[in-house]
Amino acid sequence: EAGVAQSPRYKIIEKRQSVAFWCNPISGHATLYWYQQILGQGPKLLIQFQNNGVVDDSQLPKDRFSAERLKGVDSTLKIQPAKLEDSAVYLCASTQSRGRGVYEQFFGPGTRLTVL
Amino acid sequence: SQKIEQNSEALNIQEGKTATLTCNYTNYSPAYLQWYRQDPGRGPVFLLLIRENEKEKRKERLKVTFDTTLKQSLFHITASQPADSATYLCALDKTGGYNKLIFGAGTRLAVHP
Repeated sequence: EAGVAQSPRYKIIEKRQSVAFWCNPISGHATLYWYQQILGQGPKLLIQFQNNGVVDDSQLPKDRFSAERLKGVDSTLKIQPAKLEDSAVYLCASTQSRGRGVYEQFFGPGTRLTVL
Repeated sequence: SQKIEQNSEALNIQEGKTATLTCNYTNYSPAYLQWYRQDPGRGPVFLLLIRENEKEKRKERLKVTFDTTLKQSLFHITASQPADSATYLCALDKTGGYNKLIFGAGTRLAVHP
């Protein structure tokens, strides 16, 4: 079974530039998450999708971050414009959950973003 | 506000010994708790899950306890090996079973030969 795929693995941009990350979850997984992990911290949830609907985006800085999952499969996270404090690893995860129930989350390798 | 604390300092132990990692939480009553392992440059990998009505869970050399009175989980690795060296994250469900997790900052474990 293929795992969660993410690209690119690394990205370096100047502040105020735009950047986009892509995630393809495990086939059949209805729920997809984007996390931000700053060095030395645990992953922080940015947004949770169930199929193509947003379940929780309460911690997504909506003035600069956006995310979509148009067909309920792969997803894109965008930052526009980037700030220095956005430097972090962006992790995508998925579960087979379709609502209530306890499931492990499967994580991709992450995209390491450096904003200069 | 909800808070999860894990040992911020690295834990150094000798091969063959038991490693014990602590996860404490406040302002919270999670339905379950999960432990993940994260290696440098990789995403977290799920290890164990324990529910609020379970006291202990085991998987091979791993054991997790969950004390809802103390608001604490302990994660044990017995007969530790250098390959167990990694960062271990605890994560708590914040939504009563809707798979929304809050992660601790993790504890780095180093097992020395």
